[in-house]
Amino acid sequence: SQQGEEDPQALSIQEGENATMNCSYKTSINNLQWYRQNSGRGLVHLILIRSNEREKHSGRLRVTLDTSKKSSSLLITASRAADTASYFCATDTGAGSYQLTFGKGTKLSVIP
Amino acid sequence: NAGVTQTPKFRVLKTGQSMTLLCAQDMNHEYMYWYRQDPGMGLRLIHYSVGEGTTAKGEVPDGYNVSRLKKQNFLLGLESAAPSQTSVYFCASSTGQLYSNQPQHFGDGTRLSIL
Repeated sequence: SQQGEEDPQALSIQEGENATMNCSYKTSINNLQWYRQNSGRGLVHLILIRSNEREKHSGRLRVTLDTSKKSSSLLITASRAADTASYFCATDTGAGSYQLTFGKGTKLSVIP
Repeated sequence: NAGVTQTPKFRVLKTGQSMTLLCAQDMNHEYMYWYRQDPGMGLRLIHYSVGEGTTAKGEVPDGYNVSRLKKQNFLLGLESAAPSQTSVYFCASSTGQLYSNQPQHFGDGTRLSIL
């Protein structure tokens, strides 16, 4: 069953604009991870945020986590054509699960 | 440093045929995973392994078998392929850590079509 659900399913923006993607989940988590997938390639890990963290930055990426609302957002600032990809959130429900549960992804298109 | 390597990259099978997908990682990771990715479904976990000689079922294990005889390799087998198993298969690996799943490293996938 899908734990995380990304929103929107697809997003199209102009180069230089910011892109925001959201992820909602159902059960309590240990951490939440965001991944990027370029067309025809495997997933690449972007950032991990733990349940006791509220915000995390990595370069042009900003991730927030609101455990009370069971939601996370990924912001990509000053987007580039190379950011065109699908973005997935993945939740880790904690001890003994050994599994990440992936959402269905947001497909981002950045138009040059 | 190749990371996670999957072979083959593409394969077409006929219904009822068998095949094995190979995943190899050179990062000395304890955990390895097999996923399938279908349009509109995201990634679904088939089987996983938390160490050499161990395997466990994921969300969609039926019709698949796995083996982890060596730490660096994780094999996914289809004994009698069915059209419903047409998909893109991804292997991933991660370091092992109790109580917290670490970032996973993915291969570039095997695109499998079953006619």
